[in-house]
Amino acid sequence: NAGVTQTPKFQVLKTGQSMTLQCAQDMNHEYMSWYRQDPGMGLRLIHYSVGAGITDQGEVPNGYNVSRSTTEDFPLRLLSAAPSQTSVYFCASTINRRNTEAFFGQGTRLTVV
Amino acid sequence: KQEVTQIPAALSVPEGENLVLNCSFTDSAIYNLQWFRQDPGKGLTSLLLIQSSQREQTSGRLNASLDKSSGRSTLYIAASQPGDSATYLCAVGSSNDYKLSFGAGTTVTVRA
Repeated sequence: NAGVTQTPKFQVLKTGQSMTLQCAQDMNHEYMSWYRQDPGMGLRLIHYSVGAGITDQGEVPNGYNVSRSTTEDFPLRLLSAAPSQTSVYFCASTINRRNTEAFFGQGTRLTVV
Repeated sequence: KQEVTQIPAALSVPEGENLVLNCSFTDSAIYNLQWFRQDPGKGLTSLLLIQSSQREQTSGRLNASLDKSSGRSTLYIAASQPGDSATYLCAVGSSNDYKLSFGAGTTVTVRA
């Protein structure tokens, strides 16, 4: 029962470096999304995908890229890391975009120095 | 833009007391509302999902109510235990674009 798996769990980057946060789900869910969680704030939507080959921007997309080549995988790329991107990142999936029960990964805690 | 508010931000109660957590939202055009639990350093675990046509949902000691017209949901946890200590988040699914809007959460401490 893997559900939604995120890697890595922790990462420290230097300003300007790039990296990819991995997300995979084994529930054959159509809808996948990336959120960031900052202290005192609710989760904010970065990017989402309604199916393989289809992605769209959320509330805070700047500085991030996504792609969805398969149903299972939805990686998030940081192009040139900035200290403002220090956050905890969560990947989530639902059966379809109509927000049935959402399943979350364990999160990636990213620090940009 | 949907705004979701959870008050209070933190709550401390003695073991055995009933917990009442509040969630309010500004736009009543919702598809569903979901309550999550988050333990420190962990992901979100779904507790209850209420569809917009429902008034409440129950699971064990947990009961969540939904009043769409007033823009409110309440999560009740009966007979609290130290293991209930966590942050509880509510998320509202929009019926316009089906995106989730999250509150900042209520951090609960149950004292033994």
